[in-house]
Amino acid sequence: GAVVSQHPSWVICKSGTSVKIECRSLDFQATTMFWYRQFPKQSLMLMATSNEGSKATYEQGVEKDKFLINHASLTLSTLTVTSAHPEDSSFYICSARDVQGRNQPQHFGDGTRLSIL
Amino acid sequence: ILNVEQSPQSLHVQEGDSTNFTCSFPSSNFYALHWYRWETAKSPEALFVMTLNGDEKKKGRISATLNTKEGYSYLYIKGSQPEDSATYLCAFYNQGGKLIFGQGTELSVKP
Repeated sequence: GAVVSQHPSWVICKSGTSVKIECRSLDFQATTMFWYRQFPKQSLMLMATSNEGSKATYEQGVEKDKFLINHASLTLSTLTVTSAHPEDSSFYICSARDVQGRNQPQHFGDGTRLSIL
Repeated sequence: ILNVEQSPQSLHVQEGDSTNFTCSFPSSNFYALHWYRWETAKSPEALFVMTLNGDEKKKGRISATLNTKEGYSYLYIKGSQPEDSATYLCAFYNQGGKLIFGQGTELSVKP
């Protein structure tokens, strides 16, 4: 089946550091990938839609200069949290579709737990 | 703003019990409803994608039904096993091609 690899699983770093999270589709090409964030006891919230070869589409309230998304190839999207602060501490997870369409599931990575000290 | 609500938030059952939980979603502009199973330390795994009113899908001991007119879906697990312990997420697929997730139902099955 379709496999999505996300790296790293855990990041602990100092305030002000920029953190890059990678999301790779291992056995399929993904023209579209999605980045979600989950705060404790809350649902997965879509942050942005990453489109290969074009700019990402950000959801309302998500700062594009804070959360830089690059989707330079059909198998890799990266999310960079720039100058991270404690309020950016959260669980970040990516997903990808191998086939377009409303009846097609998304394939998720394992997620990244980000802790900013 | 679309709201997807799941209930209950958590559920504790004994091995062998059958259980069910609910996902409610807006009944207008329906495109699809997804169910995912999310075990701790793993990635969410797709269970079902449902698109038609009255749909009923089954995978082993797990089944799901869909009522788009009233805006709800039920997930049933027959004869729960400890390995069924996970968080079950539903997500509404909107016309923009985005998934709007509920908070999930956390199921714990005790042997």
